Amino acid sequence: DAGITQSPRHKVTETGTPVTLRCHQTENHRYMYWYRQDPGHGLRLIHYSYGVKDTDKGEVSDGYSVSRSKTEDFLLTLESATSSQTSVYFCAISDGPGNTIYFGEGSWLTVV
Amino acid sequence: QQQVKQSPQSLIVQKGGISIINCAYENTAFDYFPWYQQFPGKGPALLIAIRPDVSEKKEGRFTISFNKSAKQFSLHIMDSQPGDSATYFCAASREEAAGNKLTFGGGTRVLVKP
Repeated sequence: DAGITQSPRHKVTETGTPVTLRCHQTENHRYMYWYRQDPGHGLRLIHYSYGVKDTDKGEVSDGYSVSRSKTEDFLLTLESATSSQTSVYFCAISDGPGNTIYFGEGSWLTVV
Repeated sequence: QQQVKQSPQSLIVQKGGISIINCAYENTAFDYFPWYQQFPGKGPALLIAIRPDVSEKKEGRFTISFNKSAKQFSLHIMDSQPGDSATYFCAASREEAAGNKLTFGGGTRVLVKP
């Protein structure tokens, strides 16, 4: 298994509260991604990073922000959680074009 | 706008049978087409991938067929086993584009009956 650790693995939070999910990698890969998985939609890209402090938006970035201050850590923040953000969130890493993208085990988030 | 469409959403196959999952894409700039396998409670894991310079790739019981002109690709699971019961996702990307980002299909839940 690729060295990816997501935390927390499960969280229940209330609408309007901020939430931060953490992704930690031990592979020293340059690229890191946050996807969300919802039934019927597959996985959709929220944000990605191509280096320390270098990030960009994916297709479903509204309501989310990210930060990457170290190669190994990529944080996803929901500034004010909404019920539509109830989902399973996956972190992924890659060493760049032509290389496999590896996924973490997922973080289950429920917003009530 | 769903750039990668996957079908069927689910399928049931008997042990030893063939599972076939189809995907169609819209963006002709895509040049990398992986399939991921996901078990309940786990993250997706790369199963097999193809690039458009070949029409077929086989790894064990898993085969990808690729039709560039039709913008379609499919996964065939031969001699399906109960351990193959999982959700399968097709995906596509432009490998040299910034971020090497994957666009996924909606997924197919496969159940192999013993």
